[in-house]
Amino acid sequence: QVHLVESGGGVVQPGRSLRLSCAASGFTFSGYGMHWVRQAPGKGLEWVALIWSDGSNKYYADSVKGRFTISRDNSKNTLYLQLNSLRAEDTAVYYCARLGSGWSLDNWGQGTLVTVSS
Amino acid sequence: QTVVTQEPSFSVSPGGTVTLTCGLSSGSVSTSHYPSWYQQTPGQAPRTLIYNTNTRSSGVPDRFSGSILGNKAALTITGAQADDDSDYYCVLFVDGGISVFGGGTKLTVL
Repeated sequence: QVHLVESGGGVVQPGRSLRLSCAASGFTFSGYGMHWVRQAPGKGLEWVALIWSDGSNKYYADSVKGRFTISRDNSKNTLYLQLNSLRAEDTAVYYCARLGSGWSLDNWGQGTLVTVSS
Repeated sequence: QTVVTQEPSFSVSPGGTVTLTCGLSSGSVSTSHYPSWYQQTPGQAPRTLIYNTNTRSSGVPDRFSGSILGNKAALTITGAQADDDSDYYCVLFVDGGISVFGGGTKLTVL
């Protein structure tokens, strides 16, 4: 059974950094690409980033490009999202999701809340 | 910048049929965009319903179906039930690893 657990969220001041983690279990983590998706309070879902199974390719939404970095450690079955130069508009629940068939997101974690506020 | 469009809201009577759509601000949606659909209730993580245009995810009832209708992707719910009252999001693969969510449709079953 696929299990994804995000952690690392919290309250952070504008301009500061934060690193989110997503611990994976129940499947062969190194065989799957992984997404990050976020959802601002009361708003819709926003795709953030994608990393291939071996970490060789990474893709980002324009809204986070140059500030956020997706990475993974297949030896630890863990996905990361480094959030730098945080802004108030980055306040959201951040979800990790497994890359499924046809670029889909086939399994989701429960999310971790990041609040950017002074 | 690619914008994916969805109806902001829709309502359906219990037992009725509703079709939600997913379009592009410029151009037509095709199977090459690999449309997928997600259901989300308040406070919960999204649930995957449909991927690759029309393939149901494991455990999804067959009253949910996906297709291409005209120049849009579509999610049809046949025989709507009370617990289908949720937000529905589509995602399109647009280019080079980039995906874009639509703004979501709030479906009310009443």
